Amino acid sequence: AQSVAQPEDQVNVAEGNPLTVKCTYSVSGNPYLFWYVQYPNRGLQFLLKYITGDNLVKGSYGFEAEFNKSQTSFHLKKPSALVSDSALYFCAVRDGYGNKLVFGAGTILRVKS
Amino acid sequence: GAVVSQHPSWVICKSGTSVKIECRSLDFQATTMFWYRQFPKQSLMLMATSNEGSKATYEQGVEKDKFLINHASLTLSTLTVTSAHPEDSSFYICSVVGGGYNEQFFGPGTRLTVL
Repeated sequence: AQSVAQPEDQVNVAEGNPLTVKCTYSVSGNPYLFWYVQYPNRGLQFLLKYITGDNLVKGSYGFEAEFNKSQTSFHLKKPSALVSDSALYFCAVRDGYGNKLVFGAGTILRVKS
Repeated sequence: GAVVSQHPSWVICKSGTSVKIECRSLDFQATTMFWYRQFPKQSLMLMATSNEGSKATYEQGVEKDKFLINHASLTLSTLTVTSAHPEDSSFYICSVVGGGYNEQFFGPGTRLTVL
């Protein structure tokens, strides 16, 4: 069965500093990995995905994520955090055979000025 | 990506009444849609898979008679919460499947409050 772990309930970072939100996954077969962001009382907004190809994936709003097969990780990163990045971030995984996504528990990112 | 709308964005109802939530795919035809519910500060829980022209597939523990799903067209799926009770209060989010890698595109969500 597929699973996703986001080990941190909350990440705090100062504006302008780099940020990392961690995600590890377990899936049979090749993983399709996704990051979504959710603002209060809103649906999920797509940030980026890894399907195949380069391990470093660039996405929306300056975010990027690095796929590491040996560590089964897909950490979300941004070189310089903004206060407006404060939100709830979800990592999700899908195997190559179906459409269902399995979500992590979510990580709250707080960026302070 | 696909543009997905939900209506209403929020609804307050009395206990015992039924509430219908619409999910529309605005710019492409979706044979598959998903319905999720989300409790405060928690992750999304998949409730059911909605397939156009056929019965929905419900996840384990989700009452199909409680949460009626209809996917009558390629652009519309509806979720009806029947005889709603306060414990049904939640944020309901739909998604549509599309794109080259069968990605999911999410609606803005519907906040249901049952008094």
